[in-house]
This record gives sequence, C-alpha cells and structure tokens, in this order.
Amino acid sequence: QVQLQESGPGLVKPSETLSLTCTVSGGSISSYYWSWIRQPPGKGLEWIGYIYYSGSTNYNPSLKSRVTISVDTSKNQFSLKLSSVTAADTAVYYCARDRYCSGGSCFNYGMDVWGQGTTVTVSS
Amino acid sequence: EIVMTQSPATLSVSPGERATLSCRASQSVSSNLAWYQQKPGQAPRLLIYGASTRATGIPARFSGSGSGTEFTLTISSLQSEDFAVYYCQQYNNWPPERTFGQGTKVEIK
Repeated sequence: QVQLQESGPGLVKPSETLSLTCTVSGGSISSYYWSWIRQPPGKGLEWIGYIYYSGSTNYNPSLKSRVTISVDTSKNQFSLKLSSVTAADTAVYYCARDRYCSGGSCFNYGMDVWGQGTTVTVSS
Repeated sequence: EIVMTQSPATLSVSPGERATLSCRASQSVSSNLAWYQQKPGQAPRLLIYGASTRATGIPARFSGSGSGTEFTLTISSLQSEDFAVYYCQQYNNWPPERTFGQGTKVEIK
C-alpha cells in the first residue's frame, strides 16, 4: 500500500527557509494531488497547500507569500519550502495524499494516506 | 476563506455511550467534508469523506451526516480506542483550498 515519509532538518534558524521532502512509496505520485499540513504544539491542523503531479499548486492564503511546493515525479517526491520562518512556524509537518484525478475528472476521497509527521523547531 | 467551526471543544462521554460532534461551515461546502481522528503522537486518520462515506476499514459505529453548512459525526457506542481528537475538514471546489475545524476532544467521563 502507499506510504508517505517526510524528511528534512528538525531545526531551522529564524529568518531562514524550512525545507522538507515527502517520499511516496508503494505507488505512483501520478494522478493525485498531494498536500502539506502542519500542527503547532498542542494546537489543531493547518493546511499549507497542495500540488498536482503535473506541477499545479494552490496555497493557504495566509502562508502564500512564503510557501513553495514542488514535485519531482522521477523520484516520486514532492517538497515544501517555507521562507522567513519564525517561532510561530514550529510544528509537526505532515504530508498527505489528496484528490484523485483521472480521465479529466477529479474525485475527492479526503486525505486518505498520511506520513508519520516530522517535527520542525525554529530556534537560534 | 471558508471557516470551519466545531462544537463542543471537549465532549465527556462514558464508554458504550453515543457521541455526537458538530461541524459548521461559514458557507456551503455541499458534501465536500471529511472527518479525521487523531490520537496523541499519531498522524490523523481519515474516518469519513463526502460527509457520510466511511473510509476503508472504518467501523460501522462511525457515521457522518449533513450537507451545506451543518455536519455531524456520530460514534454510536464509544469504545476505549475512540477517545481522541476529531477534526472536520472541507475540500470545496471553490475556493480550491482546504480548511480544518479546530477539533473536538472526546474524553472519558
């Protein structure tokens, strides 16, 4: 079955750029949208943005100016970059499988596969 | 931006009892709504999508209902493993963004 694994530095300095990668195994990255979600300590879930395997993206308006999500289909990976980080960006970051598209139509089945999450702390 | 509001924030329920969780959208999301369960230290798990369709492997005691702006997740007879935080999430087509509710914690009474 499809599995997702986040990877990247666990500690990032303020004002620098957070970079994470999600590797998709057990299935193809094609035909799906892929989301990034984060969860600050003790708080709820916040959607960051998603990318289609073709490269089209959509971001949370509150983070849009600082977020870039990209995809590498040859590696079955997609990535998150969040610039100018502050302590408020400290969170567990998750990647998840999102909408499925085929034959020109898209179908929403919820975010049905999630990575285990990776903790990113912003601190000097 | 579509705002999702969940109530109550905390629900105290005895094992075997029914739990009813509510989620309200600031504008209609049709049936484009999912429910997730999250236990401490774990990633969220999809329970319901399309407002009322159980995801693969989800027990029948979990059911979802509603459309438009008002949604409900019902757990018919709470088991010990059901004590967790539950989130609703909209995935409407326009605006093409996803938003989560703030969560409802279901705790043992």
